[in-house]
This record gives sequence, structure tokens and C-alpha cells, in this order.
Amino acid sequence: QQQVKQSPQSLIVQKGGISIINCAYENTAFDYFPWYQQFPGKGPALLIAIRPDVSEKKEGRFTISFNKSAKQFSLHIMDSQPGDSATYFCAASLHDMRFGAGTRLTVKP
Amino acid sequence: NAGVTQTPKFRVLKTGQSMTLLCAQDMNHEYMYWYRQDPGMGLRLIHYSVGEGTTAKGEVPDGYNVSRLKKQNFLLGLESAAPSQTSVYFCASSSQGTDTEAFFGQGTRLTVV
Repeated sequence: QQQVKQSPQSLIVQKGGISIINCAYENTAFDYFPWYQQFPGKGPALLIAIRPDVSEKKEGRFTISFNKSAKQFSLHIMDSQPGDSATYFCAASLHDMRFGAGTRLTVKP
Repeated sequence: NAGVTQTPKFRVLKTGQSMTLLCAQDMNHEYMYWYRQDPGMGLRLIHYSVGEGTTAKGEVPDGYNVSRLKKQNFLLGLESAAPSQTSVYFCASSSQGTDTEAFFGQGTRLTVV
């Protein structure tokens, strides 16, 4: 039973475009929602995170939008670059961290 | 800065063999975790530790055991490997639990034949 559902599985975006990845969660007790970025052959690395008391967090070209009532949150990558090509995982945590299945993003030059 | 180091990076086991994966962190973190990563399933927590001498079960603990005898090390053991345990294993650590940044190792690719 997957507690965090992520979509889409894969995404192709042109350079300069906006990449949007969505996640939905079930447990309303989750209190921390990070996004991790993973390059091939590497471990995941924290990209940006949000807590449920705010609706949006922006760091550079990366923005998390959080909708507590809908139990959904999303990652927006503005001005997507080929270097952003990676797999992105959303996660939600309370006592342990539950990850989504991942989205493979390809940014075409 | 080493961060989180996993040993070995690759391993092939025969069904029924045992092995231990070692995770070492040099950030003085209290919390350590073992995840497995399978295609289409994201990362699933196997076991974790909230401090030296403590361990707890995660989402998929069956077939694995762990030990945290020293704060900097977290060992993952497979007593009798099965093909279903073919996966990429990641160790991670964090300073204050799952609501703070987790730092991941580079992974161990394990194949059980």
C-alpha cells in the first residue's frame, strides 16, 4: 500500500520550459514533505522541502506548492535545463519517511 | 568530506548465501537508515536506528537484520539471500530524524542469483 503516489512516471520537457511533478499522500499526520533529486549511479540528495504550515516554498528555480486540504503537493522547476535531467522523488514523513515511486525527468536541449 | 560511505558498491550472491553491508558516516548523525530501491517503487525503508545501540523496523524488514554498535556505523545483514532481495541498497543518515535532511550514500547494487 503506497502512502505517497507520484506522477508522472516520466516527463520530457524542452529547455527553458516548466517541469511539474505531482504527489498525493494519505496520512494527514505527515509533517515534512521533501523532494529528492537523484542522478544515475548516485544516491538521492535533498532538493527542497516544505512543512504543512506553509502553502509554497521557493528556492531558486525550484518551487514546492502544497495543498493541505487536497493532500497534494507538487514540484515546479522553472526554466528547466538539461542539467536538471534526473529522477525526482517526493516523500512524506512522520516517524519514518515514505517515498513516491519517482519521476524520470529529461530536459531536451 | 566523506559523508556517508557504503561498502561494497557491487556484489553478486548465490541464493542462500549471507552477507553484510556496511554503512559509515562521519557527520556525527544520530539517525541512520537502510533503504532499498527497486524500479517503479521508489525507496522503501528496511530498518532504521535513532541512536547507538538502537534499531527499529521499517516498511520492508523481513529477511534483513541490522546492528548499530557504534554511532558512526550501521550494518545491514542478509542471513539467507533470496532473488527477491536483488536491489540497490542505500544507507542514509540525518541529525534529528526524518524531518531533517537525510544524506545518502552512493548505493550498493546487490544481485542474488
